[in-house]
Amino acid sequence: QKEVEQNSGPLSVPEGAIASLNCTYSDRGSQSFFWYRQYSGKSPELIMFIYSNGDKEDGRFTAQLNKASQYVSLLIRDSQPSDSATYLCAVRGVYSSASKIIFGSGTRLSIRP
Amino acid sequence: GAVVSQHPSWVICKSGTSVKIECRSLDFQATTMFWYRQFPKQSLMLMATSNEGSKATYEQGVEKDKFLINHASLTLSTLTVTSAHPEDSSFYICSARVRSSGVSFTDTQYFGPGTRLTVL
Repeated sequence: QKEVEQNSGPLSVPEGAIASLNCTYSDRGSQSFFWYRQYSGKSPELIMFIYSNGDKEDGRFTAQLNKASQYVSLLIRDSQPSDSATYLCAVRGVYSSASKIIFGSGTRLSIRP
Repeated sequence: GAVVSQHPSWVICKSGTSVKIECRSLDFQATTMFWYRQFPKQSLMLMATSNEGSKATYEQGVEKDKFLINHASLTLSTLTVTSAHPEDSSFYICSARVRSSGVSFTDTQYFGPGTRLTVL
């Protein structure tokens, strides 16, 4: 079982709709959860982080964390074509050495006009 | 967010030569930096964790004699690809850990823009 799992996609969403990206993780003791966006040919960019159960909102982005279900998601409201990218879920586990973050393989999101 | 720079942004070299990539934290001190490699359409692969003033910790399968990492100061880490071969052609990305004012699990990690290496 992979430590951080994401559906590779592509996930196709019409412009203006809500895009929902999901991620599950295996280390039950994980404490920090991150979402990065990576455009093709570019490096990842941190867009959200969350530590507590529940929702965290930042502009059009909402991160949701459910530690009991070992599940974290990212919602993008009013999706724009510029949101088309690969979204990486990342988790810092209790047992990860040197506080390294474990990345999922990413979900490719495509916003269709 | 914190700013991490990398130099060069791209490099083309002949097989057998060595290439050095620099990673700098511009507005903060980074006690820990990470080096990743990413092949086209593949996921990020962590190569090594670099702590200032100590030897880097390499991931399984990464040759430490081929990928030399030096983290001599709190703002600079370097990756040297020694005797590069075409199979080393990839996108190399560094990342720096940003310490929060609270407990360590609230630390974040920011990426540099990456260096695209092509070995002929």
